[in-house]
Amino acid sequence: DIQMTQSPSTLSASVGDRVTITCRASQSINNWLAWYQQKPGKAPNLLIYKASSLESGVPSRFSGSGSGTEFTLTISSLQPDDFATYYCQQHNSYSTFGQGTKVEIK
Amino acid sequence: EVQLVESGGGLVKPGGSLRLSCAASGFTFSTYSMNWVRQAPGKGLEWVSSITSTSHYIYYADSVKGRFTISRDNAKNSLYLQMNSLRAEDTAVYYCARDRDGITARPLFDYWGQGMLVTVSS
Repeated sequence: DIQMTQSPSTLSASVGDRVTITCRASQSINNWLAWYQQKPGKAPNLLIYKASSLESGVPSRFSGSGSGTEFTLTISSLQPDDFATYYCQQHNSYSTFGQGTKVEIK
Repeated sequence: EVQLVESGGGLVKPGGSLRLSCAASGFTFSTYSMNWVRQAPGKGLEWVSSITSTSHYIYYADSVKGRFTISRDNAKNSLYLQMNSLRAEDTAVYYCARDRDGITARPLFDYWGQGMLVTVSS
């Protein structure tokens, strides 16, 4: 099974900050990597797919990069609506999620 | 507007059974692969099962293989999850989710239901 490890687990940041979350796969997943945002009590929302493609309707301050085993999600200028938990997901072989990164207010 | 509405959750004793349903609308259900994803209280997301549009291919996570059965009825625009031999560790919110691209064995979730809580406890 492919394991996904996100870092950090929690991130404290301020509005306007540039934020980067890292996701590492236990083996190569090519670019079959997605990122989701989840707010408390709500279903996740797809942000990025194929490592760097922005899902329709998602603000351009979100971007993704990486391939193979190392991936990053970047929020260029953190907005109040962005405080949430973020998950990476590999879908190279079925599906595995990272453990999540909570972005909280500093 | 795409809508996915789960039903059938609740409290069940260990070893018991439960059937979840997901009613889909706002898209051509019969052309999309569908999935179940769960989230234990306060924990992360776990993919549970996938089914292709014609039910030709079905996949399960190891944690539920042999106990859970995914199925669909394209005439009723509905997805199901039959859960047997339930354990305390199956306690979670269960989401049905549409597969964005329909690439076999590579599920990507673009629309999700609101979730349905299943609690396994004596």
